[in-house]
Amino acid sequence: DVKVTQSSRYLVKRTGEKVFLECVQDMDHENMFWYRQDPGLGLRLIYFSYDVKMKEKGDIPEGYSVSREKKERFSLILESASTNQTSMYLCASSPITAREAFFGQGTRLTVV
Amino acid sequence: GQSLEQPSEVTAVEGAIVQINCTYQTSGFYGLSWYQQHDGGAPTFLSYNALDGLEETGRFSSFLSRSDSYGYLLLQELQMKDSASYFCAVRPSNQAGTALIFGKGTTLSVSS
Repeated sequence: DVKVTQSSRYLVKRTGEKVFLECVQDMDHENMFWYRQDPGLGLRLIYFSYDVKMKEKGDIPEGYSVSREKKERFSLILESASTNQTSMYLCASSPITAREAFFGQGTRLTVV
Repeated sequence: GQSLEQPSEVTAVEGAIVQINCTYQTSGFYGLSWYQQHDGGAPTFLSYNALDGLEETGRFSSFLSRSDSYGYLLLQELQMKDSASYFCAVRPSNQAGTALIFGKGTTLSVSS
C-alpha cells in the first residue's frame, strides 16, 4: 500500500517562528510536491522537486523554502511564520511521469 | 503560465449523470488528470488523459480535446458518496522537472 506521510496533522505556531513540515514517501518516487489549499483557491503549488537536492519554485514560493536531502523526504520550511500562512498544507509524490500523484493527509497549520 | 478553469459548484440527484468541465490555458502539457477529494480527506487520483478522446473507468469517464483546450469528467449513476470536490490538473511540458498544476476545484453535491 503506497504511502505519503506528513509529520503532523495539526500544528499551531506563533508569528515569527521557523516552522518545519516534513513529508516522507515510501514509493521511491522521483517527484515530490508541496501545495497549500485554501477555500475557493484550490491547490496552489509552492515548490516541487524532481530529484534529490533539486527544487523548483511553484506559483507561490514567497515565504517558503524546501529541502530534499534524501529521495524519500521533502521538507517545507516557513522561515518566519505569518498569519497569512495559516492553511492546509498537502504533500504529494509521483513517479517521473506525474501521471498519478499520491497525497499525504495534510497538515492544518494555524499561525497565531 | 498555466491556468485551468472549472465551475465552482455542481448539484445533481442520485442516479443522474453529471459532467464537470475543465478549460485550460497552457503553452503545452503532457496530460490532463482528475482528482477527487472528500471533506477532510486527501485528494485521490481518478483518471488521466494523455491523448485526445475518452477514458473510461467504471462509472467515471474523462475526456480530452487538445484542439479545444478542454476536458471533462463524466460521472454516471451518481451516488451520495460521490459528493466531493473534483480537481483537474495538468503537467506542463515547458518547465524543468515535473510540476503538477491544479484547477480551483468543483464541489459536487449529490442529493437523494
